[in-house]
Amino acid sequence: QKEVEQNSGPLSVPEGAIASLNCTYSDRGSQSFFWYRQYSGKSPELIMFIYSNGDKEDGRFTAQLNKASQYVSLLIRDSQPSDSATYLCAVYNSGGSNYKLTFGKGTLLTVNP
Amino acid sequence: GAVVSQHPSWVICKSGTSVKIECRSLDFQATTMFWYRQFPKQSLMLMATSNEGSKATYEQGVEKDKFLINHASLTLSTLTVTSAHPEDSSFYICSARDPPTNEKLFFGSGTQLSVL
Repeated sequence: QKEVEQNSGPLSVPEGAIASLNCTYSDRGSQSFFWYRQYSGKSPELIMFIYSNGDKEDGRFTAQLNKASQYVSLLIRDSQPSDSATYLCAVYNSGGSNYKLTFGKGTLLTVNP
Repeated sequence: GAVVSQHPSWVICKSGTSVKIECRSLDFQATTMFWYRQFPKQSLMLMATSNEGSKATYEQGVEKDKFLINHASLTLSTLTVTSAHPEDSSFYICSARDPPTNEKLFFGSGTQLSVL
């Protein structure tokens, strides 16, 4: 059973601070890693993806991947109230004939003004 | 990213009736679409993979006779919840990859189903 684990939160940070979201996965063969943002009552929106070990930066977002530790994280700098949402970690493994993304349960982030 | 359109956004129906949800890829052709279900405060659970021109592939525990999937064209997949019951009330979301070989998944806006 391939699993993706996230701390459900809620994670509460003040406006302007750095929010750090963490995710671990069980399948060592996983190849691609995604972060989705989901506002309440809405569908997920892709915000970051990373394939290689290290950091990947896009604006205020930085994804970090450590395949040896089976760990992926998302940092949000200068957090804004509009960043308040649930962040879903998703992991892809191309093994087998079927494409399948496995999602974590998500971490609820609240940014306080 | 790719645009996936889904409707209706929400539907309320009586127990025992059937509900059809449509999912369209607007600016690309999707040979495969994916249907997810999400209960409150839970993660996305893949229900089935919809394949254009062939039968859908259902995940373990998903009743194929209850959740009918049709993928008649490269831009349209439909999910019909047959004889819906209150326990089927959930958020249903379709998704697709663009291009088909890309791992990135793009989601429709979702359908909130409430069965009375």
